[in-house]
Amino acid sequence: DIQMTQSPSSVSASVGDRVTITCRASQGISSWLAWYQQKPGKAPKLLIYAASSLQSGVPSRFSGSGSGTDFTLTISSLQPEDFATYYCQQANSFPPALTFGGGTKVEIK
Amino acid sequence: QVQLVESGGGVVQPGGSLRLSCAASGFTFSSYGMHWVRQAPGKGLEWVAFIRYDGSNKYYADSVKGRFTISRDNSKNTLYLQMNSLRAEDTAVYYCAKVAGYSSSWYGVLGHWGQGTLVTVSS
Repeated sequence: DIQMTQSPSSVSASVGDRVTITCRASQGISSWLAWYQQKPGKAPKLLIYAASSLQSGVPSRFSGSGSGTDFTLTISSLQPEDFATYYCQQANSFPPALTFGGGTKVEIK
Repeated sequence: QVQLVESGGGVVQPGGSLRLSCAASGFTFSSYGMHWVRQAPGKGLEWVAFIRYDGSNKYYADSVKGRFTISRDNSKNTLYLQMNSLRAEDTAVYYCAKVAGYSSSWYGVLGHWGQGTLVTVSS
């Protein structure tokens, strides 16, 4: 099974900061990676697919990069509405299985 | 606009059964694969199951294989998850999610999610 490891597990940042979250796959997944944002009590929302493609309607301050085993999600200038938990998810081994990373909580400093 | 509304959650004893439903609207349900994903209280996301647009292929996480069954009724625009032999560790919010596109290359991208339904397994 492919394991997905996110770091850090939490980050404290201020409005306007640049934030980078890393996701590492236990084996190569090409560009089969998505990023989701989840706010407390809400469903996850798709931000990025195919490692670097921005989902329609998502602000351009969000960007994704990487391929193979190492990926990053960058928020170029953190906004108040961006405080949330972010998950990466691999789809290279699907079917039969999808795997999510453990999540990164972005908190207010 | 895409709407996914889950129902059927509740409290059930260990070893019991429950059937979740996900009512879909705002898109051609019969053209898209669908997933179930769960989230235990205070924990991360865990993929549970997938069904192709026509129901011809189904896939399950090892943790639920043999106990859960995913199905769909395209005439009713509804996705189901039959959960049997429930355990305490199945306690979670269960989300249904629609894949982001038609072709199989989109099967692993979850474009829209419902609001979730809580399943609690406890005696």
